[in-house]
Amino acid sequence: EPEVTQTPSHQVTQMGQEVILRCVPISNHLYFYWYRQILGQKVEFLVSFYNNEISEKSEIFDDQFSVERPDGSNFTLKIRSTKLEDSAMYFCASSPPLGGTEAFFGQGTRLTVV
Amino acid sequence: AQKITQTQPGMFVQEKEAVTLDCTYDTSDPSYGLFWYKQPSSGEMIFLIYQGSYDQQNATEGRYSLNFQKARKSANLVISASQLGDSAMYFCAINTGRRALTFGSGTRLQVQP
Repeated sequence: EPEVTQTPSHQVTQMGQEVILRCVPISNHLYFYWYRQILGQKVEFLVSFYNNEISEKSEIFDDQFSVERPDGSNFTLKIRSTKLEDSAMYFCASSPPLGGTEAFFGQGTRLTVV
Repeated sequence: AQKITQTQPGMFVQEKEAVTLDCTYDTSDPSYGLFWYKQPSSGEMIFLIYQGSYDQQNATEGRYSLNFQKARKSANLVISASQLGDSAMYFCAINTGRRALTFGSGTRLQVQP
């Protein structure tokens, strides 16, 4: 069964360092998302991506964040200068072209900023 | 703007019994989708069930059913015949034409033997 794949599963980084979280969405999907979940809290939307551009972003997604689809398969989230409060689980998700169906989530990347 | 409210931070249920997890929503869009996800302690988000706003029938997927009451703006998840493996965090979510999901704060379900 096709699945969304995220790497790495865990990342520890020093405050102020740049991190890149990687995702391989399901191949025929057209909508891609990043969400984050701070430990013990609800899942929050960061950004959605469609047709090689950002289609929607939340107020969390400030200038420190960027997304890219560098080739036909990978979808990345970059955090330029990490802060302690960026520590969270980051989920990538993708959806097929037909609206209203479920978003398929990757297993997540747990980011710890020290 | 859209909003999901889950008022039960934690629930207990005996194995083999049914349990209902509450979810109410708010949106001004006439077309929307409602979702339930399960998050076990390992952290991944597992899709359980989907209900479209125009669907006439309540959605069912195996032991999961969604009790959709549109006038009350509620979309409760019913798990029948609970199993120990059902112990997890459960999130209700909504999306509309903009497609991003808005999640509730979740309900932690513990199934007791």
